[in-house]
Amino acid sequence: GAGVSQSPSNKVTEKGKDVELRCDPISGHTALYWYRQRLGQGLEFLIYFQGNSAPDKSGLPSDRFSAERTGESVSTLTIQRTQQEDSAVYLCASRRTGGTNYGYTFGSGTRLTVV
Amino acid sequence: GESVGLHLPTLSVQEGDNSIINCAYSNSASDYFIWYKQESGKGPQFIIDIRSNMDKRQGQRVTVLLNKTVKHLSLQIAATQPGDSAVYFCAENMGGYSTLTFGKGTMLLVSP
Repeated sequence: GAGVSQSPSNKVTEKGKDVELRCDPISGHTALYWYRQRLGQGLEFLIYFQGNSAPDKSGLPSDRFSAERTGESVSTLTIQRTQQEDSAVYLCASRRTGGTNYGYTFGSGTRLTVV
Repeated sequence: GESVGLHLPTLSVQEGDNSIINCAYSNSASDYFIWYKQESGKGPQFIIDIRSNMDKRQGQRVTVLLNKTVKHLSLQIAATQPGDSAVYFCAENMGGYSTLTFGKGTMLLVSP
């Protein structure tokens, strides 16, 4: 597609339930990133994929968080046993590799609310 | 009323004024810097970038200044318009495949 697509755009879940958030990067973008943004806050790095491997997952806040990516396409961020502090907007970004422009293209995010 | 958790620095300007948004970055090894604009309910959008071998770069109505000595980055917006109202983030990285590290953001409010 023309941009980074994330689904769902909004998700309300009960505390303790598992959720899956999906990201479709721009076609041909080999690098994919997940960030978390709490209300009124900056962007908190979670995990980075190069192809389907994750060379940097240092930002995942706990073992309840995991992510995977199929080849150089879709990525899924899974949060198990959700807690209220997980409520945030989860942003996905992708970037082509090679060249000299290191800027990311972001999706519109998934707003997760844990009640 | 005030929303819990909102504590972004805010810059309020009148339409037509010039705006300057500042950012202090943390890593002296960073060699690439970007400014992003985030409107309500949307993901951050690329505005302009600059490499560490430059101290100024101009785009359409925007200028980014880089002072590596004091690790300071600024974004200047000329003739600010109501559509410029958004949260602005600076971001840094060390090039290559390293991840971008984002600053806390500044909210720009433009009054007509």
